[in-house]
Amino acid sequence: AQSVTQLGSHVSVSEGALVLLRCNYSSSVPPYLFWYVQYPNQGLQLLLKYTSAATLVKGINGFEAEFKKSETSFHLTKPSAHMSDAAEYFCAVTSSNAGNMLTFGGGTRLMVKP
Amino acid sequence: EAGVAQSPRYKIIEKRQSVAFWCNPISGHATLYWYQQILGQGPKLLIQFQNNGVVDDSQLPKDRFSAERLKGVDSTLKIQPAKLEDSAVYLCASSLGLADTQYFGPGTRLTVL
Repeated sequence: AQSVTQLGSHVSVSEGALVLLRCNYSSSVPPYLFWYVQYPNQGLQLLLKYTSAATLVKGINGFEAEFKKSETSFHLTKPSAHMSDAAEYFCAVTSSNAGNMLTFGGGTRLMVKP
Repeated sequence: EAGVAQSPRYKIIEKRQSVAFWCNPISGHATLYWYQQILGQGPKLLIQFQNNGVVDDSQLPKDRFSAERLKGVDSTLKIQPAKLEDSAVYLCASSLGLADTQYFGPGTRLTVL
């Protein structure tokens, strides 16, 4: 079985500040990990994915995430927040024996203050 | 290229009524997924198709939910009869194959009164 825990359902940062969204996973086999972003009334858009290549993954809009096996974590970061980053962020996990079935975390709503 | 299309975008029904949602995946994508996203939660997979066959429907409440993908392209998800707890956004996603990135449609927001 696989699961994802996102610590902090709401995160607030000031514009220009560091963004850190936390994700911890549980998987009995090597995982594939994803971050998706969801803007209001829209579907999910893929930010980045880890599929067992480089542990530091760069995505769109300046986001990146680092896979740390020892900590079972895949935290999402961005050096400088922009107002347009305000959205809901979801971490998800799957694996080679899970048939590409994604298990999502509960999501973190990012608010950016001017 | 065109993304995943879903309709309707919004639907309001009363409990015990029936409702159907439609999804057209990205052209050439063999795998199609239906997710249920309850307000404040992450999406939960309901059913996964590979072409017109079901790969997994273990989390689909089969007493009231059904889904089909008859020609291996577009798909419909039906709820009959609806309950209050079915109020959610229903997301459709598609991928080239079982090991490929999933692309999501805009979703259908269902409100059951």
